[in-house]
Amino acid sequence: GENVEQHPSTLSVQEGDSAVIKCTYSDSASNYFPWYKQELGKGPQLIIDIRSNVGEKKDQRIAVTLNKTAKHFSLHITETQPEDSAVYFCAASFSNFGNEKLTFGTGTRLTIIP
Amino acid sequence: KAGVTQTPRYLIKTRGQQVTLSCSPISGHRSVSWYQQTPGQGLQFLFEYFSETQRNKGNFPGRFSGRQFSNSRSEMNVSTLELGDSALYLCASSLMGSTNEKLFFGSGTQLSVL
Repeated sequence: GENVEQHPSTLSVQEGDSAVIKCTYSDSASNYFPWYKQELGKGPQLIIDIRSNVGEKKDQRIAVTLNKTAKHFSLHITETQPEDSAVYFCAASFSNFGNEKLTFGTGTRLTIIP
Repeated sequence: KAGVTQTPRYLIKTRGQQVTLSCSPISGHRSVSWYQQTPGQGLQFLFEYFSETQRNKGNFPGRFSGRQFSNSRSEMNVSTLELGDSALYLCASSLMGSTNEKLFFGSGTQLSVL
């Protein structure tokens, strides 16, 4: 079945340092890997995504890398700021006999220490 | 453009009762998905509706049901509530409901079952 594992579940980093969150997925046919950020009291919001034909994508201070062979992908946040404190979810697309869905990881609570 | 609107924001129910949650998607979006969020479990996919039809379904019991109206607004119903149904219920809308599309989440309905 489809499964997405996410680590770590909590992460604290000093402001200005980098943060890395890792995810692995089970279905080699998955081809879309988004990352969502959820701030307190709000719904998740897409911050970056990557498709299976690309190995890396950057958007200012955030980047995502994908290793299809190993079936894992990672979120990298550089020069962290207090506003980066939030819960981050990775996800992977799954398709099974016409049933398509996005499966999410269990989330990482990132805390930036001023 | 207004975002995804979920009502009510908070609900308190007792075991055995039933509850209906509402979601109004972004104007023009035809797909609405529902997720259950609990600590440690992340976002669990409930179902997805497109043009008033349930197109995809997660692994939840039949007590969880939904529907979508002709204006794309969606409702989710949970019957015979159990303590374990306490969670944040999120809905997300997208244009066509493809797993490769960006999802726009509402702020959720926090359901507490006593």
